[in-house]
Amino acid sequence: ETGVTQTPRHLVMGMTNKKSLKCEQHLGHNAMYWYKQSAKKPLELMFVYNFKEQTENNSVPSRFSPECPNSSHLFLHLHTLQPEDSALYLCASSQGGGASQFFGPGTRLTVL
Amino acid sequence: GENVEQHPSTLSVQEGDSAVIKCTYSDSASNYFPWYKQELGKRPQLIIDIRSNVGEKKDQRIAVTLNKTAKHFSLHITETQPEDSAVYFCAASRGANSKLTFGKGITLSVRP
Repeated sequence: ETGVTQTPRHLVMGMTNKKSLKCEQHLGHNAMYWYKQSAKKPLELMFVYNFKEQTENNSVPSRFSPECPNSSHLFLHLHTLQPEDSALYLCASSQGGGASQFFGPGTRLTVL
Repeated sequence: GENVEQHPSTLSVQEGDSAVIKCTYSDSASNYFPWYKQELGKRPQLIIDIRSNVGEKKDQRIAVTLNKTAKHFSLHITETQPEDSAVYFCAASRGANSKLTFGKGITLSVRP
């Protein structure tokens, strides 16, 4: 597997469920990101990690909890989500915060 | 911080015509400007980028121009084809140790 991978690709969950999204990058990058992309809306940056340390949290509700155990893996733990959280969640990585970002295929999340 | 704006928000052109998508940025210290293409249902992908030490860069049918004085950069697509239909995002940063800021995206439609 090369580039940035994400699992699962599709997820349907109820508001009381707990699930996790996984991202893995095989590019040797040191920065990883979570974005939310709702229909016909721009990319919304959620979290940024540099060398496993969280460097940015854009006022994301606590029902989204990120985890970065190492520079290659990034998780987004979900609990007690709302229907308006339904969106495409994209992971990205880069070599440095201001460099080109490489995106994963995304997880299409539907909250019922 | 940096503010990146894209105009217009939508653009429709006839197949074979040229398309120009413009972005403006606010931080005069920004020196790296990538462009991403996101086809429907797919991930954003880097298509071309430019650094502030050059004014223009070409890659087949696409080119990017940079005007540092006016703080704007543009994506030029010649001989447009239906497969060029997508959302195009521009971005700007001060380099690898800073933050990459995305614009809101422009939807390009190429009419057959």
